[in-house]
Formats: sequence, C-alpha cells, structure tokens
Amino acid sequence: GDSVTQMEGPVTLSEEAFLTINCTYTATGYPSLFWYVQYPGEGLQLLLKATKADDKGSNKGFEATYRKETTSFHLEKGSVQVSDSAVYFCALPSPGGYQKVTFGTGTKLQVIP
Amino acid sequence: DAGVTQSPTHLIKTRGQQVTLRCSPKSGHDTVSWYQQALGQGPQFIFQYYEEEERQRGNFPDRFSGHQFPNYSSELNVNALLLGDSALYLCASSSDGYEQYFGPGTRLTVT
Repeated sequence: GDSVTQMEGPVTLSEEAFLTINCTYTATGYPSLFWYVQYPGEGLQLLLKATKADDKGSNKGFEATYRKETTSFHLEKGSVQVSDSAVYFCALPSPGGYQKVTFGTGTKLQVIP
Repeated sequence: DAGVTQSPTHLIKTRGQQVTLRCSPKSGHDTVSWYQQALGQGPQFIFQYYEEEERQRGNFPDRFSGHQFPNYSSELNVNALLLGDSALYLCASSSDGYEQYFGPGTRLTVT
C-alpha cells in the first residue's frame, strides 16, 4: 500500500540556517504530494503541494520538488525563523481524489535565536 | 468564515467507557474525514463520510463508528475505550475531491 517515509527529528537549527527535511514515498502511479505543518497546540495546515512530477510547490519561503525518479518530495527553506518551529508532515492523498491522506511520522523542527 | 471546529477540546475517560466527538465542517464543505494522531506520530485515517454514508475506512476496529448529519456535521463514537485510544482526534473537511482542511482536534485521554 501507499506509504511515506520522512526523516526523524527533532531537528534543531539556528535562525537563518538552511533547512532540509527528507521525504520519500511509495505509491501506485504518480499521486499528488503534500507537506502539512502543525504548530504547537494547533491542527494541521496545508503548507504546500505538488500535483505532478517535476512540479515545485512553494509557500512562505518553503519549497519542495516532486521527483518521480527518486520518489522524493524533500522540504527546503533557505533561511528559517523562530516562528517556523513546528512539526512538519509529508503526506500522500489516495488516487482518484483526496479521500484518504497517508501521513509520514512527522519531523519536529526547533529554531533557536 | 469559520473553519473546521471540533468539540470538546479535551476529554478524559475511563477504560471501557464510550465517547462521542463532534465536528462541524468548513462552510461549503460536504465531506468529513476523521484521523487519529497518537503522540509523536502522524495522523492515521479512520474513516470518511459523504452524503451521510461512510465512504472509506482505514484499519480501525468496529469500536470506532461515525455519523454524518444532513447539515454535514459529523460525530465520531468510540466504544469500550482502551488505554491505546488516547490520542488527538482530528477532523478534516473538504468539498468532495478537493484538499482537506483540518480542525484543531480533540485530545482524548483514557485512564
């Protein structure tokens, strides 16, 4: 079945450092791919998405490129801020519509001043 | 426009009891999905409701059941609670076939 594997955390970075969170997936066909973010005490928010191979999703300075040859969707940000501290989830919706979303285990990011 | 709302925020129950969690979808959304998020884990899909019917179900026992009302709001019921049911329960709504919007969750603690 579909699955998502993402790097374990926690990840601790200094402010303005470069961030990469790795994500690989196993799925039938070429699904859409998502990154969700969960701030402390809050629900999940969709951060960015890509709907087909070689697409780049971007939002709030974060980017991720859908690489079908490596089945990856790594999240990157050039300069993190303290306000980026959160848990990040890579996710895979079921084919044929977003009826079920399969999530990775999450990567906790802590950014220190 | 209110987003997805869930109630209650927190709940403490005893093993063997039953619990009902509630969700109101975002305005204009007709599909509700429920997820269980154990501490330190990603959310796991429980089931999805559309047109008052359970459309898809994840790998959860029959102790987990749900309902969707004509106004698209939904309930999640869990019977015979186990300690392992302690988790954050997330509701997500969508307009059929489109991306899901998540609520803040209900934190259930089973003692």
